[in-house]
Amino acid sequence: ETGVTQSPTHLIKTRGQQVTLRCSSQSGHNTVSWYQQALGQGPQFIFQYYREEENGRGNFPPRFSGLQFPNYSSELNVNALELDDSALYLCASSTGQGITGELFFGEGSRLTVL
Amino acid sequence: QQQVKQSPQSLIVQKGGISIINCAYENTAFDYFPWYQQFPGKGPALLIAIRPDVSEKKEGRFTISFNKSAKQFSLHIMDSQPGDSATYFCAASWGFNKFYFGSGTKLNVKP
Repeated sequence: ETGVTQSPTHLIKTRGQQVTLRCSSQSGHNTVSWYQQALGQGPQFIFQYYREEENGRGNFPPRFSGLQFPNYSSELNVNALELDDSALYLCASSTGQGITGELFFGEGSRLTVL
Repeated sequence: QQQVKQSPQSLIVQKGGISIINCAYENTAFDYFPWYQQFPGKGPALLIAIRPDVSEKKEGRFTISFNKSAKQFSLHIMDSQPGDSATYFCAASWGFNKFYFGSGTKLNVKP
């Protein structure tokens, strides 16, 4: 059983650019959530995808968007990067909808915006 | 509005001592309260979790105490070890697995 994998692990972008982060969910999991973790802070919910549909969104602007594919892998896209977007972006997979249970996190993608 | 408040921000404990981290929440709809452990360069990993129908849950050296009326819950680490040194996050969730995390407690267990 493979865990949650994310790519790339580190990347550096400049303000105004666009970035795409990728996530492969754990085997058997159909739900993927994305979290932003600023340095020294707890993860903040960005959005969740269930069966390729967005299923909840946190307080993030529309320039944060996502996709989920038929194999349940997912992408997080951020347009018009700002300095405050510098953070660790965590992908988490889980099973079920309407059932609160364990999130399995990947190791994250560290984004630095200069 | 911070849904889950965590304290202390940092904690230093001697090896063999008890580490205690506290969290408070506002939303009474929350029905799942996990604690996550995060090592540098890694994603958070579930340590232990509780649902509001019980007041305490113990797994090995880790215990969650839950006070529904006070809307508080805490993590106790007994016989703390240097390998427990990490950042701990409390969280709360309901419904569709949207989690609200606390701001984290950096635990340092001195040998």
